[in-house]
Amino acid sequence: DGGITQSPKYLFRKEGQNVTLSCEQNLNHDAMYWYRQDPGQGLRLIYYSQIVNDFQKGDIAEGYSVSREKKESFPLTVTSAQKNPTAFYLCASSSPTGESQPQHFGDGTRLSIL
Amino acid sequence: GQNIDQPTEMTATEGAIVQINCTYQTSGFNGLFWYQQHAGEAPTFLSYNVLDGLEEKGRFSSFLSRSKGYSYLLLKELQMKDSASYLCAVMDSNYQLIWGAGTKLIIKP
Repeated sequence: DGGITQSPKYLFRKEGQNVTLSCEQNLNHDAMYWYRQDPGQGLRLIYYSQIVNDFQKGDIAEGYSVSREKKESFPLTVTSAQKNPTAFYLCASSSPTGESQPQHFGDGTRLSIL
Repeated sequence: GQNIDQPTEMTATEGAIVQINCTYQTSGFNGLFWYQQHAGEAPTFLSYNVLDGLEEKGRFSSFLSRSKGYSYLLLKELQMKDSASYLCAVMDSNYQLIWGAGTKLIIKP
């Protein structure tokens, strides 16, 4: 079945540590996105990528980094510079941007500070 | 700036009808999406409107008025499993989704 797989489901970060969240899709979608969701708030865009080897900052990119070396994969690294990383992180993908297509989401990774 | 407003929480009774409103102000408009999100889970796509009017999909319908910057999601014959948050999102002129904070719907027996 086609879909988006995020791992791990739960992740704990120590002070000063970088952690990487995995996102893999087999939907053959060109565009991929990372969102952060905090209680009572809407989804906020961290980074997005419209094509392999290219990505752009979203509204809250500070303290995060991404790579897009393969069409299927869009990992997100939460660096030690992100002082408030506790949140629910959602990865999504869609057909090429420039089209009004719905985004499809993975099951999310819940990140907490130890 | 860009803004999407939805009520924070609504309560309804099993078997009844509920309407969840969404108003928006965005830089351009390339469609409006409704998603359902159960607690601790990923959002799932419900509906898409780009032209004015009503789109019906089973128990769920979505309405759009572009001139008023307004949409609503109508849920009929409510079931307990409909208890979830409902997210309104607008695609702006750059084809980026702008998200509302979501409406938490509580269904009571």
